Amino acid sequence: AQSVTQPDIHITVSEGASLELRCNYSYGATPYLFWYVQSPGQGLQLLLKYFSGDTLVQGIKGFEAEFKRSQSSFNLRKPSVHWSDAAEYFCAVGAPFNDYKLSFGAGTTVTVRA
Amino acid sequence: DAGVIQSPRHEVTEMGQEVTLRCKPISGHDYLFWYRQTMMRGLELLIYFNNNVPIDDSGMPEDRFSAKMPNASFSTLKIQPSEPRDSAVYFCASSYLQAIRSSTDTQYFGPGTRLTVL
Repeated sequence: AQSVTQPDIHITVSEGASLELRCNYSYGATPYLFWYVQSPGQGLQLLLKYFSGDTLVQGIKGFEAEFKRSQSSFNLRKPSVHWSDAAEYFCAVGAPFNDYKLSFGAGTTVTVRA
Repeated sequence: DAGVIQSPRHEVTEMGQEVTLRCKPISGHDYLFWYRQTMMRGLELLIYFNNNVPIDDSGMPEDRFSAKMPNASFSTLKIQPSEPRDSAVYFCASSYLQAIRSSTDTQYFGPGTRLTVL
């Protein structure tokens, strides 16, 4: 079974600074990988996903993520954070041929300070 | 499209009472998922349906929980009797398999129902 680890529970970053959120997955083959964002009181919104091909994936809101097979990682990055990026971020993994069943990480809460 | 609709948005009930959460998926989606989110356990998949048929209910915590999908546009998650440890945010999500291989969203999430059992 697949699983996801997000090592950082909480990250604080200054507005305008860069952001990187870590995600490590466990799966026997190449998985499908996702990043979702959850704003307070809201449901989850997909930021980006990786299925195959280019290992650098561009998403919405200026986010990107890089799949590194050798490190079993799928870290999320944004070069310049805006106050509206304060939210909780979830990494998720799905297994090909069973890819509608996602396993989510515990989430990383991002606080943006002025 | 209005997106995934869940009702109620908030529910406060007393221990022992029956609770019914409702979900209307996006029209045309053939997969429906129920998740539970708590501080302790994060986001857990409880059950999912394909074409109204339950496919995997291994995440349902115990017999007090049941879910149904009588038609393509409606699903319920019922807890009977409810207990304080059931307090959580319950999300419904829907998708269609073809979307997973495209650039569009995989699963669309509803806004959630915040359940408090006293």
